[in-house]
Amino acid sequence: EAQVTQNPRYLITVTGKKLTVTCSQNMNHEYMSWYRQDPGLGLRQIYYSMNVEVTDKGDVPEGYKVSRKEKRNFPLILESPSPNQTSLYFCASSFGYGTASDEQFFGPGTRLTVL
Amino acid sequence: RKEVEQDPGPFNVPEGATVAFNCTYSNSASQSFFWYRQDCRKEPKLLMSVYSSGNEDGRFTAQLNRASQYISLLIRDSKLSDSATYLCAVTALNSGYALNFGKGTSLLVTP
Repeated sequence: EAQVTQNPRYLITVTGKKLTVTCSQNMNHEYMSWYRQDPGLGLRQIYYSMNVEVTDKGDVPEGYKVSRKEKRNFPLILESPSPNQTSLYFCASSFGYGTASDEQFFGPGTRLTVL
Repeated sequence: RKEVEQDPGPFNVPEGATVAFNCTYSNSASQSFFWYRQDCRKEPKLLMSVYSSGNEDGRFTAQLNRASQYISLLIRDSKLSDSATYLCAVTALNSGYALNFGKGTSLLVTP
């Protein structure tokens, strides 16, 4: 089944404890992206990657890191989480980018709480 | 850089009603346009891409007006199962093809 998977789905942690949220897609997609969704603010892009070893900042990159060592994986790293990073996180991928046929497929989301 | 604005909603409509959502975008270099549907606490899923000539998929019709920089979504004969949040999204070359979302419009279809 074609899908984007994220782990963990739920995480409660404490301020300053490094964590990684994994994202993997099995569709051979070039483009991958991370979003956070907060009430009243909508979905905002954190980082994106157009291909292996190519990553760039989105709207809200502060406090996050990513890597794209393999095409299928795009982990999101919080080196020192803070309470303002409590949010619902989505990973997404698409075959290409910039055209109407480049539907982004989203993972099921990771609900993160930082105490 | 909130470039995409949507009707705030919520829209409460009876079954069978026709409802229209509008979405405006500010980046004139925008080139791809989408409507996504998001159910509560779930991931967004593509409802339909929006093409320049407009497109229809069953009860759903999407329109694009490049001159006025807005897209619209029309839902005819609303069903209870249409209740969800509808997100418009836009990509542009000069923003790294980021999918910029509006904040979404909540639709509740009532019996």
